[in-house]
Amino acid sequence: DTEVTQTPKHLVMGMTNKKSLKCEQHMGHRAMYWYKQKAKKPPELMFVYSYEKLSINESVPSRFSPECPNSSLLNLHLHALQPEDSALYLCASSQDSLPEQFFGPGTRLTVL
Amino acid sequence: SQQGEEDPQALSIQEGENATMNCSYKTSINNLQWYRQNSGRGLVHLILIRSNEREKHSGRLRVTLDTSKKSSSLLITASRAADTASYFCATDEEGAQKLVFGQGTRLTINP
Repeated sequence: DTEVTQTPKHLVMGMTNKKSLKCEQHMGHRAMYWYKQKAKKPPELMFVYSYEKLSINESVPSRFSPECPNSSLLNLHLHALQPEDSALYLCASSQDSLPEQFFGPGTRLTVL
Repeated sequence: SQQGEEDPQALSIQEGENATMNCSYKTSINNLQWYRQNSGRGLVHLILIRSNEREKHSGRLRVTLDTSKKSSSLLITASRAADTASYFCATDEEGAQKLVFGQGTRLTINP
């Protein structure tokens, strides 16, 4: 299985809602990533997990809360988001020693 | 921070022509990668070139790297409509556990 899956594909939420994005891979990769991508812009790194531990937080606001329950699963918990947080959220994974990243299809998030 | 600059920002060519995209970066790198993204979808890894390599080929793709100029180019030969996508370079900075993406080139192949 060489696929990274993300659910849901689309999400619309209000500013007071709590929701979660889910990412899963079964390639045995030990590094997993969350990116945010606005239209016509490159992906911006948010978080990196290495061996299930948070290793990089790119100064992301606390309304975004990542979680890595096990080596195959990565969640992003969302709470009290702002309309400017609307974007495509991409998950990726990689073998710890190799730079190539495998991306999921993304979750299109709209905050009303 | 996004250190890569890509040009052109957008490129439109006829099917069958070659497409060339350029990427510049600012710091020392371990390697440079190119990714493709179809509209609103995830990125797909195309090719990786290491800092000690100057040129690499994969099918219709040719990548060059000039570390003295801190620049790379991606050539797609005999373009097809299916090549229509955004193309991003990404650098793996020395000592950093992350990729930094360029601004991207939006490529349109006209039938």
